[in-house]
Amino acid sequence: DVKVTQSSRYLVKRTGEKVFLECVQDMDHENMFWYRQDPGLGLRLIYFSYDVKMKEKGDIPEGYSVSREKKERFSLILESASTNQTSMYLCASSVLAGDTTDTQYFGPGTRLTVL
Amino acid sequence: AQRVTQPEKLLSVFKGAPVELKCNYSYSGSPELFWYVQYSRQRLQLLLRHISRESIKGFTADLNKGETSFHLKKPFAQEEDSAMYYCALLNTGFQKLVFGTGTRLLVSP
Repeated sequence: DVKVTQSSRYLVKRTGEKVFLECVQDMDHENMFWYRQDPGLGLRLIYFSYDVKMKEKGDIPEGYSVSREKKERFSLILESASTNQTSMYLCASSVLAGDTTDTQYFGPGTRLTVL
Repeated sequence: AQRVTQPEKLLSVFKGAPVELKCNYSYSGSPELFWYVQYSRQRLQLLLRHISRESIKGFTADLNKGETSFHLKKPFAQEEDSAMYYCALLNTGFQKLVFGTGTRLLVSP
């Protein structure tokens, strides 16, 4: 059974702080993703990664960066947190499936509040 | 541009009533579509994908390329179906999903 874990369920930070959100998967998946989930906006892709040390911008990368030093771990970094980054953050992983369909497996989410 | 549209934010039905959650997409290639579901206090999970043509928990979804739709249907809703439902389109070139804004289904007794 695929397991995707996120370091915190709830996080409260102050404006201007540097914030790290960690995600770990145990299924040797090549692809990892960070989304934010907001009511009425659905899931929006922030960054994704195909492999170690590789990263690609998603639809809303501004204000975020990522790090993938190991295959199983994908970190989302808020360099200087702002109140508009208050959201639920979801991590996901999937197999690199070439032309075939692949399922994304999601973590439980981190609800971040920036004061 | 790839886009997924779910026109209803909230769909409220009574137990035993039929359910249809609408999803329309725009994609220039051959689409691969999914429905994901998030039950209360649970993580987002795959419900079904069009390529497997399966029925999960009584739900089905048919890809209609002419209408660019992938509506999710169930003939008789159950209270445990209450959840947030997201339609998603796979961008095969980049192995990433494009999600709709979601529809909250509320099934009342």
